[in-house]
Amino acid sequence: DAGVTQSPTHLIKTRGQHVTLRCSPISGHKSVSWYQQVLGQGPQFIFQYYEKEERGRGNFPDRFSARQFPNYSSELNVNALLLGDSALYLCASSVRAGIQYFGAGTRLSVL
Amino acid sequence: GENVEQHPSTLSVQEGDSAVIKCTYSDSASNYFPWYKQELGKRPQLIIDIRSNVGEKKDQRIAVTLNKTAKHFSLHITETQPEDSAVYFCAASMSGTASKLTFGTGTRLQVTL
Repeated sequence: DAGVTQSPTHLIKTRGQHVTLRCSPISGHKSVSWYQQVLGQGPQFIFQYYEKEERGRGNFPDRFSARQFPNYSSELNVNALLLGDSALYLCASSVRAGIQYFGAGTRLSVL
Repeated sequence: GENVEQHPSTLSVQEGDSAVIKCTYSDSASNYFPWYKQELGKRPQLIIDIRSNVGEKKDQRIAVTLNKTAKHFSLHITETQPEDSAVYFCAASMSGTASKLTFGTGTRLQVTL
């Protein structure tokens, strides 16, 4: 079985641009969560989606948004990028509120 | 909200020795505590987890203990090997919202020969 897949693996953007990150969960997993991991720190929770509905939101500005599609894949969108948005963005999938399995992440660099 | 503190930030042990990483949490409602291992440039991988109705759980060389009263939990690795070298993260969450994990700041474990 394929694990959680994320695309792209790396991304370079400039300040003010927007970015879309994509995640495909493990087959059968209906819950997707997004985390931001700044270098040297633990992952910080951004969003959780289950059955296409937002079920949780972390302490991130409105520039961050996400959605989940009927096939349970998900997109994370970040508008008006700031230098501080540079991080590894991790997606995790689970069976509802079960064990979370992480993807390899998208490394975003904002210049 | 939940706050998880993790110590030490770095830990160096000799091969064959034991390693202990400790975490404390603030929200008494938290009842699920996973540990993740993250090797350089790779995804976090779950290595062991424990729920609040259990005080200890063991899986081969890895064990986790939980003290609900004191609100702390620990990871124990025995007979360490070079491949145990990685960053380890503890996390906490509440039942029903197990997808919202609050992570500690990580411990960089170095196992030397």
